[in-house]
Formats: sequence, C-alpha cells, structure tokens
Amino acid sequence: RKEVEQDPGPFNVPEGATVAFNCTYSNSASQSFFWYRQDCRKEPKLLMSVYSSGNEDGRFTAQLNRASQYISLLIRDSKLSDSATYLCVVKAHNFNKFYFGSGTKLNVKP
Amino acid sequence: EPEVTQTPSHQVTQMGQEVILRCVPISNHLYFYWYRQILGQKVEFLVSFYNNEISEKSEIFDDQFSVERPDGSNFTLKIRSTKLEDSAMYFCASSGDRSSYNSPLHFGNGTRLTVT
Repeated sequence: RKEVEQDPGPFNVPEGATVAFNCTYSNSASQSFFWYRQDCRKEPKLLMSVYSSGNEDGRFTAQLNRASQYISLLIRDSKLSDSATYLCVVKAHNFNKFYFGSGTKLNVKP
Repeated sequence: EPEVTQTPSHQVTQMGQEVILRCVPISNHLYFYWYRQILGQKVEFLVSFYNNEISEKSEIFDDQFSVERPDGSNFTLKIRSTKLEDSAMYFCASSGDRSSYNSPLHFGNGTRLTVT
C-alpha cells in the first residue's frame, strides 16, 4: 500500500470556482502534514503546513482528519495562477523522511 | 529569505560517466535530502542526511550513489556510473532548525540530469 495517495486529476475548473483535494496516508504514526505546489519542471514549493485544528491562509484552507487518516486542501475563488500540481506530503515522527503523494493536477480555465 | 541553491541547473553526461550534483542547504538547517523526479512522474525520495551521516535511504539509492558534506556548507550527490534511467530532475532539500523538528522541506530549484 502506498504511503500517501492522491487523486491525480486533472481537475478542470473555471475561474472563481471552489475546488477541494483529498489525500490519504497509511502510517497512523505520521505527525507532520504539508501541501506543496509544483509548477511544470520546477521545484515543489511549500503552500502550507496542515495543523490538527485546521488552518487557513487567504483562499486556501487545509484540514486534517486523523481518525480517517486524510488531509484536504480547499481553494476558494480559483485564479488562473492556481493552475499547478498540488502535492500532499507526510512525515512520520522520528523518521527522517518525507513521503510524497503523486500529486493532483489543477487546471483553472478562464 | 534563505534559499537552497543547486548547481549546475542542467548537466548532460554520457552513460557510464560519473557526475556530482552540488547543493548548498539553508545554513541553520540540520537535515538534508536528495529527491529525484523523472519527467511526468512523482517526486521520489533518495536519501536523508543528518549529523554527517546517512539517516535513511531508499531502494533507489544503491551502491552507484553516494552523498557527502565535504566542508560544512556543500552537500553533494555523486552517481558513479550513470545509466540512461538516471535521467531526471534531482532536487536537494533541507529542513529542521534546532527549534522545530517538524519543519517543512525547503527545495532547491533542481539539477536536470540528462544521460545520453
């Protein structure tokens, strides 16, 4: 079973739409959770960390559900510039290794 | 804002040749990583490094690969005898200052390795 699983998409949405991605993880000992954004042929860039109580950064909201072992990312009022691949990243406590999902591709259309 | 820097940005080499990819992690970070990404595929973990030694490595990181922190600032990945399937983008990353074990990864902008 993969450590981190994501729906690869693509999600094709119009500008202004709200879109949500989910990600599941297999290791219940996982302690740290992150969403990264990756543009084509570029490095992954941290979008936001995900905290137990959920957190928001502008149009982006991240949630963590430990019981069901998934995290989510909600993007409101999508912009053309949000088009990218969104990577779910999970780190287990005491292991010096971050596990990456395969990414969910988002296309925001005018 | 401090950055992870990688050189070169693009390396072309012939099969069987040795390559060294270079990285300068963020200066107060303690954990260093190499990842690779074959075009169109997911980001794959290669190795992590802490306290001057390898702390984790993947099955990809076989005897052809080695890492070094030769001078306290650089962090290098060496591939001894490159194969065609080593062609990929190689990302260096660092994390973890002393105040936060669970800090996120910060990536360099990558070295595109092309093996011909």
